[in-house]
Amino acid sequence: EAQVTQNPRYLITVTGKKLTVTCSQNMNHEYMSWYRQDPGLGLRQIYYSMNVEVTDKGDVPEGYKVSRKEKRNFPLILESPSPNQTSLYFCASSPQTTGVYEQYFGPGTRLTVT
Amino acid sequence: AQSVAQPEDQVNVAEGNPLTVKCTYSVSGNPYLFWYVQYPNRGLQFLLKYITGDNLVKGSYGFEAEFNKSQTSFHLKKPSALVSDSALYFCAVRDLTNDYKLSFGAGTTVTVRA
Repeated sequence: EAQVTQNPRYLITVTGKKLTVTCSQNMNHEYMSWYRQDPGLGLRQIYYSMNVEVTDKGDVPEGYKVSRKEKRNFPLILESPSPNQTSLYFCASSPQTTGVYEQYFGPGTRLTVT
Repeated sequence: AQSVAQPEDQVNVAEGNPLTVKCTYSVSGNPYLFWYVQYPNRGLQFLLKYITGDNLVKGSYGFEAEFNKSQTSFHLKKPSALVSDSALYFCAVRDLTNDYKLSFGAGTTVTVRA
């Protein structure tokens, strides 16, 4: 089954404790992206990647890191999480970087930072 | 800069009545427009998109949307709503001059009452 998977689905952590949220797609997509969803703000893009070893900042990159060492994986790293990073996070992928393609979304990761 | 506005936080309709979810956009060039739906505790699912051509676009689950360039709108419609259409709906836009970036609206919660 073609899908985007994220782990963990739920995470509660404390301020400053480094964490990684994994994202993997099995569709051989070139483009991958991370979003955060907050009430009243919709989805805001954190980082995106146009291919292996090619990443760029989205609208809200502060406090996050990403890497794209393999085509299928695009982990999101929070080096020192803070309470304002409590949010619902989505990973997405699409076949190519051009704009005609819709994105396929993972199930989401709900992160709480205390 | 590109942006999307969904002027209604909530839309309530009775089952069997027409459903409309409004979306307006702002881009510097020509837009690619998308609608996504999010059911509770799920990721976003693609509904339909406008790239070029016919202004009336048909999508999944009986939804359609009309692209209106003069009004910069892309309203989502369904002739006869179902209780199962109750969900959170997002409009999104890509600017052809910067087509790596997908900008989302804040979302509209649709409630269809039996």
